[in-house]
Amino acid sequence: GAVVSQHPSRVICKSGTSVKIECRSLDFQATTMFWYRQFPKQSLMLMATSNEGSKATYEQGVEKDKFLINHASLTLSTLTVTSAHPEDSSFYICSATDLTYNEQFFGPGTRLTVL
Amino acid sequence: AQSVAQPEDQVNVAEGNPLTVKCTYSVSGNPYLFWYVQYPNRGLQFLLKYITGDNLVKGSYGFEAEFNKSQTSFHLKKPSALVSDSALYFCAVSRPSGTYKYIFGTGTRLKVLA
Repeated sequence: GAVVSQHPSRVICKSGTSVKIECRSLDFQATTMFWYRQFPKQSLMLMATSNEGSKATYEQGVEKDKFLINHASLTLSTLTVTSAHPEDSSFYICSATDLTYNEQFFGPGTRLTVL
Repeated sequence: AQSVAQPEDQVNVAEGNPLTVKCTYSVSGNPYLFWYVQYPNRGLQFLLKYITGDNLVKGSYGFEAEFNKSQTSFHLKKPSALVSDSALYFCAVSRPSGTYKYIFGTGTRLKVLA
């Protein structure tokens, strides 16, 4: 299957700072990428869908000014958590696909801890 | 509303016994169905999928799932559980509408006892 990477795998930051998480499709061109958030012992919550070259579509209740998503190329999407607070601490997972596939390919996740 | 249900938060099974993790869905049309496994602090690992064809789907690590259209179910099974199968399992459903957006179940924690 296709491979998706995330960087960093783990990040600790101070409250009020911004953190950028990268999601890359390593061996295919991803026209669509998804960003999820997962709380402990819970399911994945879809935050937004991003299509290459266009603005991301955010799910209801997700603050678009706080969680900035950029999908500038067919192999890279970034999620920036702006002015992070402890309540933003979570496990963030991205996935990628394009129309030739009928499934999403998931990254390994990024553990964000905001102190 | 479209939804995916995993009715059991946790399933306990003895090593060597068969295991079943249940999934039912309420999605219009002919959805695609998936099972993923997640180990602690890891992303989702693909186990298997049903797109079309044979209702019994075989996947990774000896897992299989049976698609039952009349019961709108897609239960995950394995004939003989291993302790290393202990993990969190997610069922997901997507509509073949072009975006492949998933609806996830709430997850089932499988615990295989030695």
